[in-house]
This record gives sequence, structure tokens and C-alpha cells, in this order.
Amino acid sequence: AQKITQTQPGMFVQEKEAVTLDCTYDTSDQSYGLFWYKQPSSGEMIFLIYQGSYDEQNATEGRYSLNFQKARKSANLVISASQLGDSAMYFCAMSPRTDSSYKLIFGSGTRLLVRP
Amino acid sequence: DAGVTQSPTHLIKTRGQQVTLRCSPKSGHDTVSWYQQALGQGPQFIFQYYEEEERQRGNFPDRFSGHQFPNYSSELNVNALLLGDSALYLCASSLMGQGIEKLFFGSGTQLSVL
Repeated sequence: AQKITQTQPGMFVQEKEAVTLDCTYDTSDQSYGLFWYKQPSSGEMIFLIYQGSYDEQNATEGRYSLNFQKARKSANLVISASQLGDSAMYFCAMSPRTDSSYKLIFGSGTRLLVRP
Repeated sequence: DAGVTQSPTHLIKTRGQQVTLRCSPKSGHDTVSWYQQALGQGPQFIFQYYEEEERQRGNFPDRFSGHQFPNYSSELNVNALLLGDSALYLCASSLMGQGIEKLFFGSGTQLSVL
């Protein structure tokens, strides 16, 4: 069975500093996709970044980068130059295929608080 | 361009009642997925609808059912409500076959079962 583990229930970071949110996954599939979503207090899940299991380069989207270590089955999110608006819940998720996110398996999330 | 819209935003029901939640997908999207997010947890996949048919289903009992209409909007129905059904219900839309599908989520319906 596929599983996502996020071991940090909460994290603090100083404004303008970088922060890493941890994510490990478990799957026996060779082909899968990894995602990070941000959920502000409004409830909406906002897509941040995607990494396919066959992608050799780590994904980057603006201030977000995904540190993909396939052998360790980890997919950590790095947020550079944190902003106050980054305070939110962050979820790591996995899909069973690289070409579709039609069924996502989510971790339990990490609450990030950015201090001014 | 409107994103994914869900209604109502909040709902209070009592045990044993039935509830219907509604979702309008983002313009141009044809696939709707539903997720249940209990307090303090990540969302769990309930099911997905495409071409008015249920295509994928998660580990949820038959009390959870859905429907997709020709205009791609969708409903989630829950019968015989239990206290444990209290959660945020998220709808997500996408376009089938468009490579890497970035799901667009709505803001959810907060269901409280008393």
C-alpha cells in the first residue's frame, strides 16, 4: 500500500530564511508522482510543485524546490526566502501514476508559521 | 475565470440524516474528484467522476455516492450520517488526459454532524 509520512506537525521559520519540510513515501510502484500542496485557513488546497518518479532533475517553481531522493524515498519541500504569507498547512501527496493526479494520497501535513 | 466552486460552505446535520454537497468545476475541466478531510488530517480520496461515471473509488462505504451532470458539475451524497462524517469535503477538478494534471481544489464544504 502507498503511504506518505510527514513527521513534522509544526515548524517555525524566520521571515526571509529558508525552511525544509520533510516528506517520505512508501510505494512498490516504479511510476508515481509526488506533489506538495499549501492549505491556508480558507481551506483551499493550492498546488505548489510536482516531481515525477522518472524525473532526474529536482523540480523547482519560483521559491519552491523539491529535494527528491529516490533511494531514500524522500521528497522534501524547500521554501526559500520565507514570507509571512507562507504561514499555512503544507501537505505532501503521491499519485500512483506520473501522468495523472487523479487519485492523490496525502500525508498528515505540517503547519508552518513564519515569524516576522 | 471562476475556479472550483462548492456549496454550501458550511452545513450542520444530525445523525441519520442525508446530505448533498455540490461542486462546479473550473471552466474547461471535465473531471471531478471528491476528498474528505477530517480535522488535523490530510484529505482522503472518496471518488472521481468522468463522463458522468464513477471511475475511481477510495475506501469509503456505499453511504457515500455521487453524480456528475452533463455540464460536468457534481454532487456528493452521504446517507445515514454518522458523527465521524464531520469533516471538510473538498472537490477538485481537472482535465482528463492533459498530461500532468494539476488538480484545482475548491475551498470545501465544512460538514458538522451532531
